[in-house]
Amino acid sequence: ENVLTQSPGTLSLSPGERATLSCRASQSVSSSNLAWYQQKPGQAPRLLIYGAYIRATGIPDRFSGSGSGTDFTLTISRLEPEDFAVYYCQQYGSSSPPFGQGTKVDIK
Amino acid sequence: EVQLSESGGGLVQPGGSLRLSCAASGLTFSNYGMSWVRQAPGEGLEWVSSISSRSDYTYYADSVEGRFTISRDNSKNTLYLQMSSLRDEDTAVYYCAKIGSIGLWYFDLWGRGTLVSVSS
Repeated sequence: ENVLTQSPGTLSLSPGERATLSCRASQSVSSSNLAWYQQKPGQAPRLLIYGAYIRATGIPDRFSGSGSGTDFTLTISRLEPEDFAVYYCQQYGSSSPPFGQGTKVDIK
Repeated sequence: EVQLSESGGGLVQPGGSLRLSCAASGLTFSNYGMSWVRQAPGEGLEWVSSISSRSDYTYYADSVEGRFTISRDNSKNTLYLQMSSLRDEDTAVYYCAKIGSIGLWYFDLWGRGTLVSVSS
C-alpha cells in the first residue's frame, strides 16, 4: 500500500501570502493519479485538483498542483480568507485509494 | 441539483450492526462507481470501501474487510453500507462519494456525511 505523507502538519500564514503544501508518496504514483481536497470544519471535503495538476470545476486559478513520481505540491498563490482549511492529498491509481494525513492552513 | 445524501447513522453498541444509505439525485447514478470514506472525530480521511457502477467489483479497506458490505441499487439511485461487528474505532462521520472518472477513484462529489457512534 502506498503511504502518503503530507508536510507540514500545520501552516500558519496571513491572507495574501503564498501557501506551499507537500505530499510525498512511499511508492511512485502512476500516471500522476494524485488528487487534492479542501475540507472546512463541519463540511465534506471538496475536490480541488486531480491528475496532479488539473483543477476541478469551479476551482479558482490561485490553486495549482504540480509534481510527479513520489513528490507532489499544492500551491495557493495568494491566500483568501476562505482558503483557511485542512487540505488532503489522495493517490487513486489503485482500488484502495489512500489519503494523506492532512495539512492545516490556519491564520497567522 | 446534483447531490448525495447519507442517512442511517446513529448510536450503536459494540458488536452491533447498522446500515447506511446514500441517495443520489441529479445525476445518472448507474454510470458511476461509488465509495464510502470515513472520518473519525478530529482525524483525517480514511477510505472504507468502493463499488463499481454495475456492482461487478467491490473493494474494502483491511480495517473493515469481512465486517462491512457495500452494495447499490441502481433502480433506486441508492448506495448502501452494511456494517456489522462494529467496534469503538468505527466511530466516525461516514461520507459517500462519487468517482470523478471511470476507473479512477478520485471523488468529485461528496455527501454531507452521517455520524456513526459505537459505544456502550
